[in-house]
Amino acid sequence: EAGVTQSPTHLIKTRGQQATLRCSPISGHTSVYWYQQALGLGLQFLLWYDEGEERNRGNFPPRFSGRQFPNYSSELNVNALELEDSALYLCASSWGLREGTYGYTFGSGTRLTVV
Amino acid sequence: AQSVTQLDSQVPVFEEAPVELRCNYSSSVSVYLFWYVQYPNQGLQLLLKYLSGSTLVKGINGFEAEFNKSQTSFHLRKPSVHISDTAEYFCAVTYSSASKIIFGSGTRLSIRP
Repeated sequence: EAGVTQSPTHLIKTRGQQATLRCSPISGHTSVYWYQQALGLGLQFLLWYDEGEERNRGNFPPRFSGRQFPNYSSELNVNALELEDSALYLCASSWGLREGTYGYTFGSGTRLTVV
Repeated sequence: AQSVTQLDSQVPVFEEAPVELRCNYSSSVSVYLFWYVQYPNQGLQLLLKYLSGSTLVKGINGFEAEFNKSQTSFHLRKPSVHISDTAEYFCAVTYSSASKIIFGSGTRLSIRP
């Protein structure tokens, strides 16, 4: 069974540009979660999608947005990039709202560097 | 507010020594607890989880954790560590099936030969 896959693995952008990160959940998982792991700041919750709908959002500005497609894959978009957006962005998936308590399966992340 | 605290940012131990990584969470009627491990340049891997039942939970790689409701703790232990256990460990909590998982700030475990 394929795990959670994220692309690209590394992304270098210039300040002010836009970045698009992609995530494919485990087959059968309907929930996708995005976390930001910046140096020294731990894992910060960004967004949670389930069945194509945004279920919850972390304390991030609106230039962080995303969506979930009918096949449950997801995209995270970051507009007007700032230097402090440099981080490892982790995607995770789970079976869905009722099964979220069973824990997430994480991808290996996308390392975004803003220069 | 829901929160989880990992009391130690770094824990150095000698190889084959026992280790305990501490985790405390904010109290709630029902709670679901997890420990994840992150090896260098990788995503997070689930080590173990407590959903209900026995308070002693056994996970992968010889780790175990004990749920202590009175002390609102979920400390992770291993009786004998190996060099390969060098990683960052995250404690996490969720309070219902419809809530996101909240992560602690992580504990970096470094093993000395």
